[in-house]
Amino acid sequence: DIQMTQSPSSVSASVGDRVTITCRASQDISTWLGWYQQKPGKAPELLMYAASRLQSGVPSRFSGSGSGTDFTLTINGLQPEDFATYYCQQANSFPQTFGQGTKLEIK
Amino acid sequence: EVQLLESGGGLVQPGGSLRLSCAASGFTFNIAAMAWVRQAPGKGLEWVSEILRSDGPTYYADSVKGRFTISRDNSKKTLYLQMNSLRVEDTALYYCAAVTSPLMGGSVWHLGRDLYFIFWGQGTLVTVSS
Repeated sequence: DIQMTQSPSSVSASVGDRVTITCRASQDISTWLGWYQQKPGKAPELLMYAASRLQSGVPSRFSGSGSGTDFTLTINGLQPEDFATYYCQQANSFPQTFGQGTKLEIK
Repeated sequence: EVQLLESGGGLVQPGGSLRLSCAASGFTFNIAAMAWVRQAPGKGLEWVSEILRSDGPTYYADSVKGRFTISRDNSKKTLYLQMNSLRVEDTALYYCAAVTSPLMGGSVWHLGRDLYFIFWGQGTLVTVSS
């Protein structure tokens, strides 16, 4: 199975900041990677697919990059509604696996 | 409006069984796949099982293989998860999710490729405890 490792596990930032979250796959997954946002008590929401493609309706301050084993999710100009937990998911093969999550907290 | 409404969760003793249901509306049920993803209290997301379009192939996490069975009734737009021989470690919020394939189409779905969870229900809680 492909293991997904996110870093950091948590990060504190202020409104307006730029934040980068990293996801590493245990083997080459090309660009078959998704990012999800989950707010407390809510279901996750798809933010990005294919590593860098923005899901419809997601603000353009979110961006993704990477290929192979190393990926990043960047949020430019943090908004209050962005404070949440973020998960990466490999979409290369079954079983589909998620990273352990990165909690983005308000500083 | 897209809706995925899960039901069937509850408290069950170890070794017991439950059947989860997920009623879908507001989108074509003939989407790439439907899946169950769970989240233990205070923990991350864990993919459980997936069934491809129509009555396509089924896939399971090793942790549930042989104990859980995923199925779908396309006429009722409903997804199911039959859970047998439940263990304490199966305790979690179980989400039903619709799976999209934005880029590749059906040729690579059997590999688990280009499959992303686009719609989610609110989850149904399964608690396994004596």
